[in-house]
Amino acid sequence: DIVMTQSPLSLPVTPGEPASISCRSSHSLLHSNGFTYLDWYLQKPGQSPQLLIYFGSSRASGVPARFRGTGSGTHFTLEISSVEAEDVGVYYCMQALETPLTFGGGTKVEIK
Amino acid sequence: EVQLVESGGGVVQPGRSLRLSCVASDLTFDDYAFHWVRLVPGKGLEWVSGISWNSAKIAYAASVKGRFTVSRDNAKNSVYLEMNSLTIEDTAFYYCTKDDHSTITSPGFKLDPWGQGTLVTV
Repeated sequence: DIVMTQSPLSLPVTPGEPASISCRSSHSLLHSNGFTYLDWYLQKPGQSPQLLIYFGSSRASGVPARFRGTGSGTHFTLEISSVEAEDVGVYYCMQALETPLTFGGGTKVEIK
Repeated sequence: EVQLVESGGGVVQPGRSLRLSCVASDLTFDDYAFHWVRLVPGKGLEWVSGISWNSAKIAYAASVKGRFTVSRDNAKNSVYLEMNSLTIEDTAFYYCTKDDHSTITSPGFKLDPWGQGTLVTV
C-alpha cells in the first residue's frame, strides 16, 4: 500500500498570512500518462470532507484561488496564499493512484 | 446538486452486524463508482471500500476484508455496506462518497461529494 505522510500535525495561522502543508508519498504518484494522482481534502468543523485539489494542482469547482497545490513524484504541498477564518479544519492529502486509497494523517489548521 | 444521504448507523455490540445505506440524488447513478470512507474519532480518514458502476469491480481495505461487503442497487440509486463481526476498532463516522468515474481500477479517484456521514459505535 502507498503510505502518505503529512506535516505538520497542527498549524496555527494568522488571518491574512500564508500557510503551507506538506505531504509525501512512499511511491511516485506520477503516472506514465503524465498525470499526478494526488488529491487534497478539507474537513471543516462539523462538516463532511470536501474535495479541494485533484491531479495535484487542479482546484475543484468553487474552491477559492487562494488554495494552490504543487509538487510532483512523491513530494507535494498545499499552499494557502492568505488564510481566512473559514479555512480552519483538518486537511488531508490522498493518493488517487490505486486502491486501497490512502490518506495522510491530517493537518489541523486553526486560527492563532 | 448531487446529494448523498447515509443511514443505518447506531450502537452495536462487538461481534454483531450492521448495514449502512447511501441514497444518491440528482445524478445518473450508474455512471459512477462509489466509495465508503470512515473517520475514526481522534484519528484520520480511512478508505473502507469501493464499488464500480456495475458492481464488477469491488475493493476493500485489509482491515475490513472478509467482514464487510459493499453492494449497490442502481435501480434504487443506492449503495450499501454490510458490516459483520464488528469490533471496537470499527467505531467511526462512515461516509459515502461518489467518485468522478465509473471504475475503481483506473487511477484518478476524485471523491466528491460526500454524504453527511453516519456514526457507528461498537
